[in-house]
Amino acid sequence: DGGITQSPKYLFRKEGQNVTLSCEQNLNHDAMYWYRQDPGQGLRLIYYSQIVNDFQKGDIAEGYSVSREKKESFPLTVTSAQKNPTAFYLCASSIGKLLGTDTQYFGPGTRLTVL
Amino acid sequence: QQQVKQSPQSLIVQKGGIPIINCAYENTAFDYFPWYQQFPGKGPALLIAIRPDVSEKKEGRFTISFNKSAKQFSLHIMDSQPGDSATYFCAASRPGTYKYIFGTGTRLKVLA
Repeated sequence: DGGITQSPKYLFRKEGQNVTLSCEQNLNHDAMYWYRQDPGQGLRLIYYSQIVNDFQKGDIAEGYSVSREKKESFPLTVTSAQKNPTAFYLCASSIGKLLGTDTQYFGPGTRLTVL
Repeated sequence: QQQVKQSPQSLIVQKGGIPIINCAYENTAFDYFPWYQQFPGKGPALLIAIRPDVSEKKEGRFTISFNKSAKQFSLHIMDSQPGDSATYFCAASRPGTYKYIFGTGTRLKVLA
């Protein structure tokens, strides 16, 4: 089955710890994205990557880091510098066309809770 | 100019009713407008999308109406069912960028 997988589904973190959220896709998509979702605020872009070994900050990148060493993988690290990390994190991917439509497809999400 | 304003925040309709969710934008460079459906604890799934060269698009019971001059677009759900109860997000993007601008979402509840 083609798709996007995220793991774990639920994650608990103690204050001061870094945690890494996994995102893998087998859609052969070039572009990948990380969003944060909080109630009543929609989806906010954390980081995105257009191609392997390249990524750009989104609207709320502070306290987060990413890597893109492989086309199919785009892990997100939530660092201790992120002051309010409790949220639902969504990974997405798209073909990566700058011209024309480029539909984003989402994974099932990871719910992170800081204890 | 980068915002997409979505309303209402929440909506309750009876089974068979036609809920309407509205979105408005300012940036006339936007050229792709998708709608996503999200069930609790799940990732959003693409429902239907439209480009500004058409005024209406239908897929099953879901219809997008697009008013380019007013810079508004709406989602209509015909013959709504309890299984349509979910949160709906509109979004917009423009050429030359991968970024989507999302609305804040509408929580729909369809009563049996």
